[in-house]
Amino acid sequence: NAGVTQTPKFQVLKTGQSMTLQCAQDMNHEYMSWYRQDPGMGLRLIHYSVGAGITDQGEVPNGYNVSRSTTEDFPLRLLSAAPSQTSVYFCASSLAGGNYEQYFGPGTRLTVT
Amino acid sequence: KNQVEQSPQSLIILEGKNCTLQCNYTVSPFSNLRWYKQDTGRGPVSLTIMTFSENTKSNGRYTATLDADTKQSSLHITASQLSDSASYICVVSQMDSNYQLIWGAGTKLIIKP
Repeated sequence: NAGVTQTPKFQVLKTGQSMTLQCAQDMNHEYMSWYRQDPGMGLRLIHYSVGAGITDQGEVPNGYNVSRSTTEDFPLRLLSAAPSQTSVYFCASSLAGGNYEQYFGPGTRLTVT
Repeated sequence: KNQVEQSPQSLIILEGKNCTLQCNYTVSPFSNLRWYKQDTGRGPVSLTIMTFSENTKSNGRYTATLDADTKQSSLHITASQLSDSASYICVVSQMDSNYQLIWGAGTKLIIKP
């Protein structure tokens, strides 16, 4: 199993550009989520999904969109990049909520100039 | 407000020594507490998950404790190795919340030879 994969690993955008961060998992997990990690802060939840066709907002959803058309894929779209979105983005998946372990991808380092 | 606070922010110890990292939380209602290890440039990896009824849980040289009454947890690392250099993050899950994990900012541990 590849686990959770993310592409690209690094990305530089100009303010106002849009892009999609890709996330895929091959563990047949129902739950998937996107986090951002900023220096000195805990991970913050952007959006999450409890199954194909179901998504919901997390703590910091503004400026981001998600969709979940398949169990395997959970892309994150930046609509109009802003410097405040410079961060490291992690995708995670788990079999379900509750006490199930979360598995994280390697992250995407995004810089918005 | 739901919060997870970790101490110290950073710690330097010599290889072979033991250390203990602390986590205090105010999350309610409590579901479980997790410790993650995050190597530089990588995604977090789960070390332990403890529910309300578990006081201690071990994973190799890592031992986590939980006192649900005082809302405190600790992560003890025995006979440290250079590969233990990483950030250690405490995360608390809320009960009845579909996917709400409250993340601490982490303790950055450096092991010196």
